[in-house]
Amino acid sequence: DIQMTQSPSSLSASVGDRVTITCRASQNINTYLNWYQQKPGKAPKLLIYAASSLQSGVPSRFSGGGSGTDFTLTISSLQPEDFATFYCQQSYSSPWTFGQGTKVEIK
Amino acid sequence: QAQLVQSGAEVKKPGTSVKVSCKASGNSFFVNYVHWVRQTPGQGLEWMGRINPNSGDTNYAQKFQGRVTMTGDTSINTVYMELTRLTSDDTAIYFCARDKRFRLTVAGTFYYAMDVWGQGTTVTVSS
Repeated sequence: DIQMTQSPSSLSASVGDRVTITCRASQNINTYLNWYQQKPGKAPKLLIYAASSLQSGVPSRFSGGGSGTDFTLTISSLQPEDFATFYCQQSYSSPWTFGQGTKVEIK
Repeated sequence: QAQLVQSGAEVKKPGTSVKVSCKASGNSFFVNYVHWVRQTPGQGLEWMGRINPNSGDTNYAQKFQGRVTMTGDTSINTVYMELTRLTSDDTAIYFCARDKRFRLTVAGTFYYAMDVWGQGTTVTVSS
């Protein structure tokens, strides 16, 4: 199975900050990488697919990058509604696997 | 708007089984696969497998092989996930999610993600 490792596990940031989360795959997954946002008590929400494509309806302050084994999710200017946990997930091979999550908290 | 509605919370004894349903709103909703993902405090998000309700084709994660069965009934736009021989480690929130196929260019390769999710079903396994 492909292991997905996110860093950091958690971070504290202020409204307006630029935030970057990193995801590393244990092997080359090309750009078969998705990002999800999850708020407490809710299901995950798709933000980014194919490493850098923005899902319809997702604000443009979210962006994704990377290929191969190293990927990033960037929030250009953190908004109050962005405080949540973010997960990366590979769709390169079965079983699909997720990172352990990065919790973004208010500073 | 596309929506997936799951069945309600379950409390089960160890050694028994649970069957969770996932109903789609709208016609022709299940174009491709439906995935099942579970979330536990200790293991985070864990992909269990997927089913194509139209063909019946299934793929299960090795971890759940022999214990999980995914089925579908396209006449009522519903898929099911049954997990047997439950233990306390199966206490989790179970989600269904629609598979979405994306193509970045006209002749390009396909990419896949889970774009619509159910609200989750809490399954508690306790004696």
